[in-house]
Amino acid sequence: AQSVTQLDSHVSVSEGTPVLLRCNYSSSYSPSLFWYVQHPNKGLQLLLKYTSAATLVKGINGFEAEFKKSETSFHLTKPSAHMSDAAEYFCVVSTYSGGGADGLTFGKGTHLIIQP
Amino acid sequence: KAGVTQTPRYLIKTRGQQVTLSCSPISGHRSVSWYQQTPGQGLQFLFEYFSETQRNKGNFPGRFSGRQFSNSRSEMNVSTLELGDSALYLCASTPGPSYGYTFGSGTRLTVV
Repeated sequence: AQSVTQLDSHVSVSEGTPVLLRCNYSSSYSPSLFWYVQHPNKGLQLLLKYTSAATLVKGINGFEAEFKKSETSFHLTKPSAHMSDAAEYFCVVSTYSGGGADGLTFGKGTHLIIQP
Repeated sequence: KAGVTQTPRYLIKTRGQQVTLSCSPISGHRSVSWYQQTPGQGLQFLFEYFSETQRNKGNFPGRFSGRQFSNSRSEMNVSTLELGDSALYLCASTPGPSYGYTFGSGTRLTVV
């Protein structure tokens, strides 16, 4: 079984300040972890993925995330927020157990608000 | 290259009817999965297909079904629609799970 907890339902930051979106996961097997972003009335866009290679993962638009197995965390960060970053962000886990896919398990989402 | 294409984009149906949604994956992607997104429940996994075989199914009633064709295109069907089935239905494709999943824009189903 796998699960994802996004620790904040809403995060508000000022433009130009750092962003931190927190995610904890649980998984019975070695997971693949993803962050997706969804802008209003749009589909989901992959920001970055971790698949058991480097623990610090760089994604698009200046985002990065660090996989910490001991803390079962995969927090998303960005050094400087931009107005266009305002969106819903989803932390996602995927595992394979016994050769069958478990599909993707999504967190509840974090709504990122950027203050001018 | 073309992305994941879902049709139709919007659909309005009456309670008790059935509906079929279509998903065309990115060329070469053999795995297609479906998700339901609602304000209350968030994003939930429906099922995943690979080479025309359902590999896994989420916790949804039997009214929700799907299939995949030899060209990897997939359809999902919901029978005996209920008001609670109103949602955004998203399809995603991947060449393999470690590559990440590419999502379509979704089909917004409204049941009245």
